Amino acid sequence: GAGVSQSPRYKVAKRGQDVALRCDPISGHVSLFWYQQALGQGPEFLTYFQNEAQLDKSGLPSDRFFAERPEGSVSTLKIQRTQQEDSAVYLCASSLELAGSQETQYFGPGTRLLVL
Amino acid sequence: GNSVTQMEGPVTLSEEAFLTINCTYTATGYPSLFWYVQYPGEGLQLLLKATKADDKGSNKGFEATYRKETTSFHLEKGSVQVSDSAVYFCALSGGYQKVTFGTGTKLQVIP
Repeated sequence: GAGVSQSPRYKVAKRGQDVALRCDPISGHVSLFWYQQALGQGPEFLTYFQNEAQLDKSGLPSDRFFAERPEGSVSTLKIQRTQQEDSAVYLCASSLELAGSQETQYFGPGTRLLVL
Repeated sequence: GNSVTQMEGPVTLSEEAFLTINCTYTATGYPSLFWYVQYPGEGLQLLLKATKADDKGSNKGFEATYRKETTSFHLEKGSVQVSDSAVYFCALSGGYQKVTFGTGTKLQVIP
């Protein structure tokens, strides 16, 4: 079956532009996560959705970052007024159920964002 | 808070050599532990996992044992291949599955 997909795969933005990154999770997956992976580093948690509810946004680095999942499936991560330090790979992951810590997260290929 | 510390790379090995990548963690409660692999140009893939103490996760010849007494989850493989060249991430998950990753260890296997 189809895995997690993300679009665009690559995005170049000028500093100050707004960008929107899309994530299509595996069909039927309840939980959805966004992570930010800087070059040479491990992914870092940004935010978490259970269906359409955003239950944790503690990892969002500033109020320029906003995420939504209005119908409990597709999610969009929006970054307003992009800065050079926003350059990173943005990863989306989904898992089937909210069932403690035993559920496996399946990752998408990521969107590589470069802010000039 | 939760954290994961793994050995820095890069690690360079000859084909058929024995691999160990060390990983230790700090966490409250009883987290699940994971190894993820990222092949060049590809996304993160789950390699193996263990959900409770003394569990051994295994896949594709790789193994790791959840050691609560030493808070460790070291990755091992008896005989590496060139195709194992990738970046390996140790990770843990607690509570509602938020995953905390280590910084990654790059493995290069030469023929």
